Amino acid sequence: KAGVTQTPRYLIKTRGQQVTLSCSPISGHRSVSWYQQTPGQGLQFLFEYFSETQRNKGNFPGRFSGRQFSNSRSEMNVSTLELGDSALYLCASSRGASGDIQYFGAGTRLSVL
Amino acid sequence: DQQVKQNSPSLSVQEGRISILNCDYTNSMFDYFLWYKKYPAEGPTFLISISSIKDKNEDGRFTVFLNKSAKHLSLHIVPSQPGDSAVYFCAASAQETSGSRLTFGEGTQLTVNP
Repeated sequence: KAGVTQTPRYLIKTRGQQVTLSCSPISGHRSVSWYQQTPGQGLQFLFEYFSETQRNKGNFPGRFSGRQFSNSRSEMNVSTLELGDSALYLCASSRGASGDIQYFGAGTRLSVL
Repeated sequence: DQQVKQNSPSLSVQEGRISILNCDYTNSMFDYFLWYKKYPAEGPTFLISISSIKDKNEDGRFTVFLNKSAKHLSLHIVPSQPGDSAVYFCAASAQETSGSRLTFGEGTQLTVNP
C-alpha cells in the first residue's frame, strides 16, 4: 500500500511569490491535514480537509490556504511569501474518524529567499 | 502558549538500557495522545498511542504511560537499540472539540550508543 506522497520535495522561492504544494493521501483515506515545521516553533497545525471541506483550521494568516479534490488529493497554497515561511511542510492522511492514526508524508522543504 | 511540552531536547542512552522520554501537557481537553519518531529527511512515523481512559499501553519494546492527574505521559523503550536513534515527538488531540487536529511537543533527540 503506497504511503502519503508529497511533491515537490524541495522548493526555492523569493519573497512575494506564491507557491502550491501537493499531497496524495493513502488510498482510502479521506482526511488530509497540513503541518508546518520550523526549528523555533516545532510542528504547527495549519488545517484539515475531509471530503473536500475544511474541517479544522489552525492559527495561520489567510495567506495560507488549501483545498481538497474529489479523489482526496490536497493542495496547499501560500501567497505573498515571506522569509519566515521557510519551513518543512508536512501532510498527513487518515480515514478521518476520531482516534484514527495520522500517517505523514516526507514533507516539502520550502526555502524563501 | 505551548500546550504540549517536551522539556528534554536530547537524551543519550546505552544500547540495551531503558530510554524514558517525557511529555507534559496543559490542556485538560486532550483525550488522545500519540508518539511519533522522525528520522532526518523523512516524515514522522507513528509509534504508539493511548486514550485518556487508559493509563498504560504496550506494543513490543514500547510502552506509553499516562498520568492524567499530573498531565504527564512518558514513553519507555526497552531494550533500546541503535536504530531507535531519532527525534521523538509527543502529540495530543482533543477529539470532542478539535477532531483530529494534533498539537505537538518540540521533540526529543534520542541517541542510543552501541
